[in-house]
Amino acid sequence: GAVVSQHPSRVICKSGTSVKIECRSLDFQATTMFWYRQFPKKSLMLMATSNEGSKATYEQGVEKDKFLINHASLTLSTLTVTSAHPEDSSFYICSARDWGRQGAGDEQFFGPGTRLTVL
Amino acid sequence: GESVGLHLPTLSVQEGDNSIINCAYSNSASDYFIWYKQESGKGPQFIIDIRSNMDKRQGQRVTVLLNKTVKHLSLQIAATQPGDSAVYFCAENNFGNEKLTFGTGTRLTIIP
Repeated sequence: GAVVSQHPSRVICKSGTSVKIECRSLDFQATTMFWYRQFPKKSLMLMATSNEGSKATYEQGVEKDKFLINHASLTLSTLTVTSAHPEDSSFYICSARDWGRQGAGDEQFFGPGTRLTVL
Repeated sequence: GESVGLHLPTLSVQEGDNSIINCAYSNSASDYFIWYKQESGKGPQFIIDIRSNMDKRQGQRVTVLLNKTVKHLSLQIAATQPGDSAVYFCAENNFGNEKLTFGTGTRLTIIP
């Protein structure tokens, strides 16, 4: 249980284009999902908290107009990198909590990540 | 600001030996700590967690120790195997705050 998937796993795009990354909770409902960014050999940095049915909460320094987050259902959150540039190249990872699981703790379950390369 | 950090960025251990990965945190309000394992090109995988009302918790081949006095967390892996090679992150949060703060990570390499 508590499986989180991401799609695509890898994407290469041209500078100026927009890229959408999907995060799905496969066997549970997630009212809250989190989006992280990870540079090579670095730790995970929280970008935003995605709330089902409401606006995302962005961390300081993260451009909300550039990184659009939509959490339209209890099992799907999307991150759209708009007008992508080479500096947006990174590993994007989502996570979710399984509040409905018996004995659920505070642990977050992570997706496998999406490698974005902007040429 | 508050931070969670690791003492050593890399650690090499002979296969079969025990390994200890350390983590220091600075937020005294933190009451929940997690260790994650991340293999290359993959998302973090939950290993073990511990709450601040405990000082030790054991899992399968792993033990987490928490010393709140010095704000120190450690992960012990017993009888290491090649599959244990990965980057290990500690993370923390506190009650009422859903957000996790990650440490800088330690790369563990198991030498055959």
